[in-house]
Amino acid sequence: GAVVSQHPSWVICKSGTSVKIECRSLDFQATTMFWYRQFPKQSLMLMATSNEGSKATYEQGVEKDKFLINHASLTLSTLTVTSAHPEDSSFYICSATGLDYSYNEQFFGPGTRLTVL
Amino acid sequence: AQSVAQPEDQVNVAEGNPLTVKCTYSVSGNPYLFWYVQYPNRGLQFLLKYITGDNLVKGSYGFEAEFNKSQTSFHLKKPSALVSDSALYFCAVRQGGNAGKSTFGDGTTLTVKP
Repeated sequence: GAVVSQHPSWVICKSGTSVKIECRSLDFQATTMFWYRQFPKQSLMLMATSNEGSKATYEQGVEKDKFLINHASLTLSTLTVTSAHPEDSSFYICSATGLDYSYNEQFFGPGTRLTVL
Repeated sequence: AQSVAQPEDQVNVAEGNPLTVKCTYSVSGNPYLFWYVQYPNRGLQFLLKYITGDNLVKGSYGFEAEFNKSQTSFHLKKPSALVSDSALYFCAVRQGGNAGKSTFGDGTTLTVKP
């Protein structure tokens, strides 16, 4: 089956710093990747959709300048949280889909726990 | 617009008993429906999906779900629950087409007691 990894699995940073989270498709070409945010015991909130080689499409209310998404290759997308603040602390999950998979089945990464002090 | 409702925040069942986790949806056109399970501090694991065909879909770990178009429901079921099934379950709907966005329900916490 398709495997998606995320790195790091957890990160603690100081307020005002930037943090980069990587999402990789290990055994397939991910033409589209999705970034989600999840608060404790809550559902996933879609932040943005990124297609390889083009700019990400952000959901309403998500600051594109704060959450920078890059999908430069068919196996890697990155989410950079710029000038992080404590309210950015959350669980960030990516998912990926590719042309090899019917009905755009999504494969999820294990998530990254971000804590901003 | 598409939406998903999971009316129960919490479902408690005894081990060995059947379980049902409810999901209703709203979408224009034909829906693609999914169930995922999430364990603490982990990503989502795919359980099963309905795209077309038989209304009863069988998935991983003995789970199944029944698509009911008239009731716009896609309830998750298992004939005999295990303690290890205790987790957070999400129903999701997606409109067809390339890179269609999924909408997730709020999740239902399933607790199976020995």
